[in-house]
Amino acid sequence: AAGVIQSPRHLIKEKRETATLKCYPIPRHDTVYWYQQGPGQDPQFLISFYEKMQSDKGSIPDRFSAQQFSDYHSELNMSSLELGDSALYFCASSHNTEAFFGQGTRLTVV
Amino acid sequence: AQKVTQAQTEISVVEKEDVTLDCVYETRDTTYYLFWYKQPPSGELVFLIRRNSFDEQNEISGRYSWNFQKSTSSFNFTITASQVVDSAVYFCAYRQGSSNTGKLIFGQGTTLQVKP
Repeated sequence: AAGVIQSPRHLIKEKRETATLKCYPIPRHDTVYWYQQGPGQDPQFLISFYEKMQSDKGSIPDRFSAQQFSDYHSELNMSSLELGDSALYFCASSHNTEAFFGQGTRLTVV
Repeated sequence: AQKVTQAQTEISVVEKEDVTLDCVYETRDTTYYLFWYKQPPSGELVFLIRRNSFDEQNEISGRYSWNFQKSTSSFNFTITASQVVDSAVYFCAYRQGSSNTGKLIFGQGTTLQVKP
């Protein structure tokens, strides 16, 4: 069965650079979520989209933005990267039920 | 506000032992969902189970079983005859039931180490 696809799997950026993370949800899933997981921490909700419209917003820094496109894929844009942005970023998708997660993008800011 | 607490930070057992992971939640919602996810060393989050607030039936899936008790606001997870492959971080999570698009609120996670 198709799963949530995230790219890239690993990303290394320098401070103050910009990063773009991509997410391709499971087909026919209408909701996409982004989570950030710091080392040894639980995933923290960033933002979600339902049918391409932002549906909820969590603790997402102003330096970050996201959108969902007409083909339902989503992108998380991160600017002016800081060392503290180093984390595992998950995308998840759902359709009325449980959320299924992608394998994550590990972002390292140096 | 809703909250999920997993009081056990780390648990270490020897293979074939049974182990229970505790999860307690706080909410004033009448409709909600509870979940368990597994995060193996490879890092992905794997869905294990979903329970809604109106269904207190316990569930068993192979060596896994879940005990949901609204009276104590608990949703505990038991692994019977643990195996080394069960070693992972396990997260309990909560979602409001008023919206199908609601975000997940995770507990702090319990790291389970199963030794051979």
